[in-house]
Amino acid sequence: GAVVSQHPSWVICKSGTSVKIECRSLDFQATTMFWYRQFPKQSLMLMATSNEGSKATYEQGVEKDKFLINHASLTLSTLTVTSAHPEDSSFYICSAAEPDEQYFGPGTRLTVT
Amino acid sequence: QKEVEQDPGPLSVPEGAIVSLNCTYSNSAFQYFMWYRQYSRKGPELLMYTYSSGNKEDGRFTAQVDKSSKYISLFIRDSQPSDSATYLCAMTVMGQGGKLIFGQGTELSVKP
Repeated sequence: GAVVSQHPSWVICKSGTSVKIECRSLDFQATTMFWYRQFPKQSLMLMATSNEGSKATYEQGVEKDKFLINHASLTLSTLTVTSAHPEDSSFYICSAAEPDEQYFGPGTRLTVT
Repeated sequence: QKEVEQDPGPLSVPEGAIVSLNCTYSNSAFQYFMWYRQYSRKGPELLMYTYSSGNKEDGRFTAQVDKSSKYISLFIRDSQPSDSATYLCAMTVMGQGGKLIFGQGTELSVKP
């Protein structure tokens, strides 16, 4: 199956700083990439949908100025958590999609101290 | 009411048992149904994908969809300790490459 990578796998940052998470599709071009957030023992909640070269579409309740998404190419999307706070600590997972397939990355654990 | 409801468990069974995992949904527009397995602190991996009512079998796994009742199930036969994970159902309107709505996930533990 296709491979999606995320970097970093784990990041610790101080409150008030920004952190960038990369999502790459390694062996295919993704028409769409999705970003999810998962709190412990909870499900994946979709944060936003991004298409290459277009502005991301955010789900209701997700602050677009706080969670900046850039989809610069068909193989790379980035999520920047700006002015992070402890409540932003979570597991962030991306997925990359072709029209009929969707592949998930391994996730990035963000801890804000 | 959530669009997709899934009993979070946890569910503990002995090795060799048959496991039944279930989800219900409210949106009749959902046409595609998936089951994912997620190990702790890992991304989800696709187990089964169906789009029609009925059963689909893959080895020890059987996915069942009943669109009239808005109910889907995943059965695991001869469960193994390596099956211990969280199982998430997911659904979409536009196909597997579209926006997925996940259930809460059921945590399964298979004891040797």
